[in-house]
Amino acid sequence: DGGITQSPKYLFRKEGQNVTLSCEQNLNHDAMYWYRQDPGQGLRLIYYSQIVNDFQKGDIAEGYSVSREKKESFPLTVTSAQKNPTAFYLCASSTSGYQPQHFGDGTRLSIL
Amino acid sequence: QKEVEQDPGPLSVPEGAIVSLNCTYSNSAFQYFMWYRQYSRKGPELLMYTYSSGNKEDGRFTAQVDKSSKYISLFIRDSQPSDSATYLCAMINGGSNYKLTFGKGTLLTVNP
Repeated sequence: DGGITQSPKYLFRKEGQNVTLSCEQNLNHDAMYWYRQDPGQGLRLIYYSQIVNDFQKGDIAEGYSVSREKKESFPLTVTSAQKNPTAFYLCASSTSGYQPQHFGDGTRLSIL
Repeated sequence: QKEVEQDPGPLSVPEGAIVSLNCTYSNSAFQYFMWYRQYSRKGPELLMYTYSSGNKEDGRFTAQVDKSSKYISLFIRDSQPSDSATYLCAMINGGSNYKLTFGKGTLLTVNP
């Protein structure tokens, strides 16, 4: 089945620790995205990538980093600089900019 | 004024009711419109995608877009308990780099 796989489903971070969230897609989509979802705030764009080896900051990129070495993969690192990392993180992909985005089932990150 | 405003709900209806979910927007550059359904602890699932004013129907769901008044609606006919979820409207600015702007979501409960 084609789709977007995010792992792990739940993740806990200690103070001062970097953690990496995985996102893999087998839809052959060019564009990939990372969003953060907080209660009452909707989805906010962290980073996006339209093509391999290229990515752009979204609205709330501070404290996060990404890489796009393969078309299928777009991992997100939540660094220790992100002081409020507790949230539901969603990865999405699309064929091109004006086509709808398809989402994975998310990773819930919490602070230990 | 926020770019996209969505009735937050919560909305509670009896099974079989017709449900109307609405979003308004302020940016006339929005050209592509989507509705997503999100179950608890899951990623958003695309329900409807449209880019022209008027109605688009898919089974029990009808998406309506009025670009002159800058509002979109999603109608659910013969609502079922399985429709209980959060519904998110989303829009793409035709001139932006694929940025998807979301409403904050409406929580719907359909009671058997």
